[in-house]
Amino acid sequence: EAGVAQSPRYKIIEKRQSVAFWCNPISGHATLYWYQQILGQGPKLLIQFQNNGVVDDSQLPKDRFSAERLKGVDSTLKIQPAKLEDSAVYLCASAGELYNEQFFGPGTRLTVL
Amino acid sequence: GQQLNQSPQSMFIQEGEDVSMNCTSSSIFNTWLWYKQDPGEGPVLLIALYKAGELTSNGRLTAQFGITRKDSFLNISASIPSDVGIYFCAGVPNTGNQFYFGTGTSLTVIP
Repeated sequence: EAGVAQSPRYKIIEKRQSVAFWCNPISGHATLYWYQQILGQGPKLLIQFQNNGVVDDSQLPKDRFSAERLKGVDSTLKIQPAKLEDSAVYLCASAGELYNEQFFGPGTRLTVL
Repeated sequence: GQQLNQSPQSMFIQEGEDVSMNCTSSSIFNTWLWYKQDPGEGPVLLIALYKAGELTSNGRLTAQFGITRKDSFLNISASIPSDVGIYFCAGVPNTGNQFYFGTGTSLTVIP
């Protein structure tokens, strides 16, 4: 079974630029999550999708972050414009019927200069 | 948001030693999970716990769901060099479905 795929693995941008990350969950997993992991901390949930609908986006900074999962499969997370404090690893995870058992992708490491 | 406190923050042990770490919360949780994260990778699920008092093993790893539902414990027996990494607890509180991660325990195994 293929795991969660994410791209790119690394991204370096300057502040005020825009960036987008892509995630393809495990086949058949209805639930998809985006997390932000700042160095030395645990992952923090940004947004949770169930199929193509948003379940929880209470911790998503909506003035600059957006995410979509239009067809209920892969998803894109965008930051526009980026700030220095957005430097982090962005993790995507998916879950099947046992939605508490989340499977993570390798993450995208973002550096904002 | 919920705070999950893990201790210890870091551990340096000799190969072959046993390891214990724990995770506490100020609120009641319905689910506790333990993950391991290697550098440059996403967290990998080790053990999931769904009932208070539950004790579950996965090879040399054993985790317990605390009776108060506010804590969980992870033990690693006979540590080996590949156990090196950061161990995170995670949980789902009894109010809502949001997933919270702990602060992590960094484990170093000295051969």
